[in-house]
Amino acid sequence: QVQLVESGGGVVQPGRSLTLSCAASGFAFSSYGMHWVRQAPGKGPEWVAAVWYDGSDKYYADSVQGRFTVSRDNSKNTLSVQMISLRAEDTAVYYCARSVGSAFDIWGQGTMVTVSS
Amino acid sequence: EIVLTQSPGTLSLSPGERASLSCRASQSVTSTYLAWYQQKPGQAPRLLIYGASSRATGVPDRFSGSGSGTDFTLTINRLEPEDFAVYYCQHYSSPIFTFGPGTKVDIK
Repeated sequence: QVQLVESGGGVVQPGRSLTLSCAASGFAFSSYGMHWVRQAPGKGPEWVAAVWYDGSDKYYADSVQGRFTVSRDNSKNTLSVQMISLRAEDTAVYYCARSVGSAFDIWGQGTMVTVSS
Repeated sequence: EIVLTQSPGTLSLSPGERASLSCRASQSVTSTYLAWYQQKPGQAPRLLIYGASSRATGVPDRFSGSGSGTDFTLTINRLEPEDFAVYYCQHYSSPIFTFGPGTKVDIK
């Protein structure tokens, strides 16, 4: 079935780095734009980053621009985000999500990132 | 940057009642790019409505979306026990995706 599975979350100190991954299955991964969306505890979702179906274009929210780098490997059906200079305000559940048009139709179960000393 | 405002913050209703949730944009937006999601505790958001009024695959027909310009509405007819959740609207304005703060529908 169509599935997205995130991994790589954990507890990290402020200023350190972390890389999250998302494994896709059950659909033609290389045909879809893919995104990272995060949700801080008790808050609404916040779009973080996007990469177009072929990796040619990447976009970021202002809050992570210059610190997060999104990438994809269509040969391995994987999406990644490298996060550097992490801050307490980056603490959230991070979801990978597939977009169809302008909406997110498939979401992973999420992986928790906690930035704390 | 477009800001989405949702009201009310919390809606307390009984099963069987109708819920009407509002999403207002800070400026006129294209209906094509307006979506609604449902989120239950511990779960990822689930797409309900896209293009302001089109139901996503598998979404019951008691859910409907409407609106244009700056004002959009998600209506849930005859609330079922599984409908008590938080609902978010979302808009796309290239290349940015924006979510509203959410409306919680809880049991009265």
